[in-house]
Amino acid sequence: AQSVTQLDSQVPVFEEAPVELRCNYSSSVSVYLFWYVQYPNQGLQLLLKYLSGSTLVESINGFEAEFNKSQTSFHLRKPSVHISDTAEYFCAVSESGTSYGKLTFGQGTILTVHP
Amino acid sequence: EAEVAQSPRYKITEKSQAVAFWCDPISGHATLYWYRQILGQGPELLVQFQDESVVDDSQLPKDRFSAERLKGVDSTLKIQPAELGDSAMYLCASSLNGGNNSPLHFGNGTRLTVT
Repeated sequence: AQSVTQLDSQVPVFEEAPVELRCNYSSSVSVYLFWYVQYPNQGLQLLLKYLSGSTLVESINGFEAEFNKSQTSFHLRKPSVHISDTAEYFCAVSESGTSYGKLTFGQGTILTVHP
Repeated sequence: EAEVAQSPRYKITEKSQAVAFWCDPISGHATLYWYRQILGQGPELLVQFQDESVVDDSQLPKDRFSAERLKGVDSTLKIQPAELGDSAMYLCASSLNGGNNSPLHFGNGTRLTVT
């Protein structure tokens, strides 16, 4: 079984400032790692994922995350945030080799970007 | 872009009543998931279908919850009787085949309030 811990429930930040949302996971097997974003009253949208290969993965809107196996972490970063990045962000894992969609989610981090 | 359709968007019901949610996945998607998201928490998997067959329902409270996907296309999730603790967002997701090159697409969810 896996578990995911998102270390911050809320992160307030000013526009154009950098941000890091922290995620740690626990698993006895190899995992796939994901970050999802959820805007109010909407479903989840995939932001980025790590399956294998390069440990640094990037999204199309400037976010990046780095898989650190020794620290069992997958922190999400953005060097300069926008108002439109305000949303809730979920880190998730699934066992590699089993169903890709059987995700275990963290509790979520609410990112609020202030002008 | 094709979307996962869910209805109703909101549902208020009294405890001990029956309630049902409907999901229409993206056309051609063989794998369908129902997740429950309690306020302030990350989603948790309830049931996974591959075509019309249940692949995993280990987290589904079977004394009151049931799910079906009779023709391998749309799906219904039912709760009978509803309890106060069932208040949550119910999310449906689909993927082409559940493999790691087959990303999940989430619907906008049904928000259930049990009074």
